[in-house]
Amino acid sequence: GENVEQHPSTLSVQEGDSAVIKCTYSDSASNYFPWYKQELGKRPQLIIDIRSNVGEKKDQRIAVTLNKTAKHFSLHITETQPEDSAVYFCAARKLGQFYFGTGTSLTVIP
Amino acid sequence: DAGVIQSPRHEVTEMGQEVTLRCKPISGHDYLFWYRQTMMRGLELLIYFNNNVPIDDSGMPEDRFSAKMPNASFSTLKIQPSEPRDSAVYFCASSSRRASGGSDEQFFGPGTRLTVL
Repeated sequence: GENVEQHPSTLSVQEGDSAVIKCTYSDSASNYFPWYKQELGKRPQLIIDIRSNVGEKKDQRIAVTLNKTAKHFSLHITETQPEDSAVYFCAARKLGQFYFGTGTSLTVIP
Repeated sequence: DAGVIQSPRHEVTEMGQEVTLRCKPISGHDYLFWYRQTMMRGLELLIYFNNNVPIDDSGMPEDRFSAKMPNASFSTLKIQPSEPRDSAVYFCASSSRRASGGSDEQFFGPGTRLTVL
């Protein structure tokens, strides 16, 4: 199968600072890596994704980087705001299936 | 498109009763996933279908759980008999694959919050 590990499990930052969440995967056959944000009581929502033929992707304050050789990818949130507080999940897609990390609870302190 | 639709949104039942959760995937998506989320175990994949065929059901906890996808626009997850430890939020999600002309993105439904007393 595939094994996705995510760190840290909890993260607190001051408003305006940056937050970085890291994930590793085990199978080089995985080729699509989405990131989801889940607010309390809501469904996971896709916030950014990257494919294996791309090294970096950015969307306003959010960016994702992928290192295929090392099999790790990271989510970067700059200029954090209180509304960024949520649980973030990384995932890797191998063939049809998605393999999820265990989640990072991000708290942005005003 | 209305997105992935799930019903009911909330279900409260007594131990031993049958529970049926329903899902309508996004039109055109050929993959459908059922997940369970709890505080203790996080987000778990129960089963997924491709073109209405179950591909991997290794996450289904036990024989009390069953899932069907009779057509491309409908799937059910059934628990019979239900137990208190089945209490969780059950998400349905759908996607296509870029390799087959789709987009790879997976979208989640709003979830069904199940409470078994």
